[in-house]
Amino acid sequence: AQSVTQPDIHITVSEGASLELRCNYSYGATPYLFWYVQSPGQGLQLLLKYFSGDTLVQGIKGFEAEFKRSQSSFNLRKPSVHWSDAAEYFCAVGALEGGKLIFGQGTELSVKP
Amino acid sequence: ETGVTQTPRHLVMGMTNKKSLKCEQHLGHNAMYWYKQSAKKPLELMFVYNFKEQTENNSVPSRFSPECPNSSHLFLHLHTLQPEDSALYLCASSQSRGSGALNEQFFGPGTRLTVL
Repeated sequence: AQSVTQPDIHITVSEGASLELRCNYSYGATPYLFWYVQSPGQGLQLLLKYFSGDTLVQGIKGFEAEFKRSQSSFNLRKPSVHWSDAAEYFCAVGALEGGKLIFGQGTELSVKP
Repeated sequence: ETGVTQTPRHLVMGMTNKKSLKCEQHLGHNAMYWYKQSAKKPLELMFVYNFKEQTENNSVPSRFSPECPNSSHLFLHLHTLQPEDSALYLCASSQSRGSGALNEQFFGPGTRLTVL
C-alpha cells in the first residue's frame, strides 16, 4: 500500500540553525513527491515537488529536498531557519490512481529566538 | 480573485442546522477535492471530482453531501452534524491528467467548522 511517514511530530530549532525534516514513503513505482507548508489557520502551500530528473530539488523560501530512491526518502532541508518558518510541514506522494495525494501526518516546526 | 477561495472562513453550527461550504478555483483546473483536517490527525481525503464527476468517496457519512455544478465550483452541504465533525475543511484543485501524473494540488485557506 502507498504510504508516507514523517517520523517527527514536532521539531524545535533555533533561528539561524539548519533544518532537516524527514519523510519516508512506500510506493510501487517512480513517485511524485511534494512538500507543503501550512501556517496556522491557513491552507497548504506547495514548497517544492519532485517528478523526475535531478534528485536535489529547489523550492520557495530557501527550501530544498533530496530524493533518495535507495532509502525511500524525500527529506526537506533549509540551511538557516527564520522565525517565519514556524509552521506545519506535510510530505505527500502522488497516488497511482486518480490524481490523489497521500499525505504524511505532518511535522510541526517551532523556531526559538 | 486568484487561486482557490473558500467561504465562509469560519462557521459555527448546531447539530440540527443545515449549512453549506463553498469552494471556487480560478486556475482553470478540472479536478477538485474536499479534505478534512482534524487536530493531531493526518489530512483525510473526503471527495474527489474529475470533470464534475465524483470519482472518490472515502466512506464519508451521508451527513456530508458534495456538489460540483461545474469545474470551478465545489460545495459541501452539511446537515445533522456531530461535534466530532468539528475540523478545518480544505478544498483543493488540480489539473488532472488521468493517470494521476503531475497531480500537484492547490489548496484554499479552509473553513474552520465548529459543531455545538
